[in-house]
Amino acid sequence: GAGVSQSPSNKVTEKGKDVELRCDPISGHTALYWYRQSLGQGLEFLIYFQGNSAPDKSGLPSDRFSAERTGGSVSTLTIQRTQQEDSAVYLCASSLGPSTGNTIYFGEGSWLTVV
Amino acid sequence: ELKVEQNPLFLSMQEGKNYTIYCNYSTTSDRLYWYRQDPGKSLESLFVLLSNGAVKQEGRLMASLDTKARLSTLHITAAVHDLSATYFCAVDPLMDSNYQLIWGAGTKLIIKP
Repeated sequence: GAGVSQSPSNKVTEKGKDVELRCDPISGHTALYWYRQSLGQGLEFLIYFQGNSAPDKSGLPSDRFSAERTGGSVSTLTIQRTQQEDSAVYLCASSLGPSTGNTIYFGEGSWLTVV
Repeated sequence: ELKVEQNPLFLSMQEGKNYTIYCNYSTTSDRLYWYRQDPGKSLESLFVLLSNGAVKQEGRLMASLDTKARLSTLHITAAVHDLSATYFCAVDPLMDSNYQLIWGAGTKLIIKP
């Protein structure tokens, strides 16, 4: 597609379960980002991938969170043993590269609710 | 601690009025971004401001950047209902990449017909 695609769009899971969130960036975009947005809050950086370089994982809130990007394209964010505080919208974004001035394009997000 | 503060956080206004949203930040930077988000939708890039004194305009929206004051403004002229959304500003504190932008909490704008 033309934009950043995320799935699932909505996910309700029980506390303690694992979830996987998928992101398909815009074709040709080497930079891929995951952000988290809690209700009424700004965006919280989670992780950044640039080409084949090692990802910047400095924003991941705990070791229950991990992400990978296969073949420099699709990315999966995994949350293990989910907790209620993990409930948020998880936004994926991509851009042509990390250089300042490149527009970051966002997907519509995966709305995660942990019950 | 790096902070980006927007005000107001909530704004309800009538169509046809003018108003300004403010974005203050606490670090040295000359890279600032404005985004729009409709309810349940993705964030849409509005403006990228890359230097002191930068001014960009699109329709009824105009954004400016004063790096000395560490302040950006988003001005709305003769507001129309379609501009109702949440507006975010984000600052690049590293000035050489855009992957660790620091985001404001957003300004929810409601424009009444």
